[in-house]
Amino acid sequence: EPEVTQTPSHQVTQMGQEVILRCVPISNHLYFYWYRQILGQKVEFLVSFYNNEISEKSEIFDDQFSVERPDGSNFTLKIRSTKLEDSAMYFCASTKGERGYNEQFFGPGTRLTVL
Amino acid sequence: RKEVEQDPGPFNVPEGATVAFNCTYSNSASQSFFWYRQDCRKEPKLLMSVYSSGNEDGRFTAQLNRASQYISLLIRDSKLSDSATYLCVVNTDVGALIFGKGTTLSVSS
Repeated sequence: EPEVTQTPSHQVTQMGQEVILRCVPISNHLYFYWYRQILGQKVEFLVSFYNNEISEKSEIFDDQFSVERPDGSNFTLKIRSTKLEDSAMYFCASTKGERGYNEQFFGPGTRLTVL
Repeated sequence: RKEVEQDPGPFNVPEGATVAFNCTYSNSASQSFFWYRQDCRKEPKLLMSVYSSGNEDGRFTAQLNRASQYISLLIRDSKLSDSATYLCVVNTDVGALIFGKGTTLSVSS
C-alpha cells in the first residue's frame, strides 16, 4: 500500500540553525500539507501546497517557514532560524483529488528538537 | 475563532464496553468531517469519514448533526487494541484539516 514517507525521523538542532524536513508524498497525489504537533497539544495546520504554489497557510507559518517541491517526488519544509518553540512533531500529508473531500494520508512524522 | 472541541477524557473502560465520544465545531461552513485515531507518538490515521446520514464500519458508528454542529463516534464491544486518542477533525473550504485536541480511550482487560 502506498504511503507517505518522511526523513529524518528525528532531528536535533541548535537554536538559530536552519533545518529542512523532507517528505515524499504518495505518487499520484496532488495536494500536499504540513502540520505540526507540539508535545501534549493538538495537531495544527501549517500550510497547503498545490500546483507548485502555496494554496493556504496558517498564522503559524510565518516568514521563517518555507515549502518547496524541488523535484517530482520530494516536498520540503524549511525553518530558517529555529526557535525553542519550534520543537514539535512535524507531519506531512497528501491527498489525491478534490480538496476537502479526500482522505489526507499522513507520514510518520519528524520529531524536531531545538536546543 | 474556528475551533473543534472534544472532551479530553480519559475514558477508562473494560473490554466489551460501549463508549461514545462527542465533538462540536464552530465553523458552520465546514464541509467534511472525520474521526482520526492517533497512537502515542504516531501519525494520525483516518478511522472514518462522517456523513449527515450517519455511517457505520463494523463496531464503529459516526453521526453528524449539522444544525447543532455536533459529531459523535460510538465504539461497541471495545477491544484492548482500541486504546488510543481519537481525534475529531473538520475540513475547511481550502482543504486544511482542523483537529480537536483528542479524547483518550484506555480499554482494560
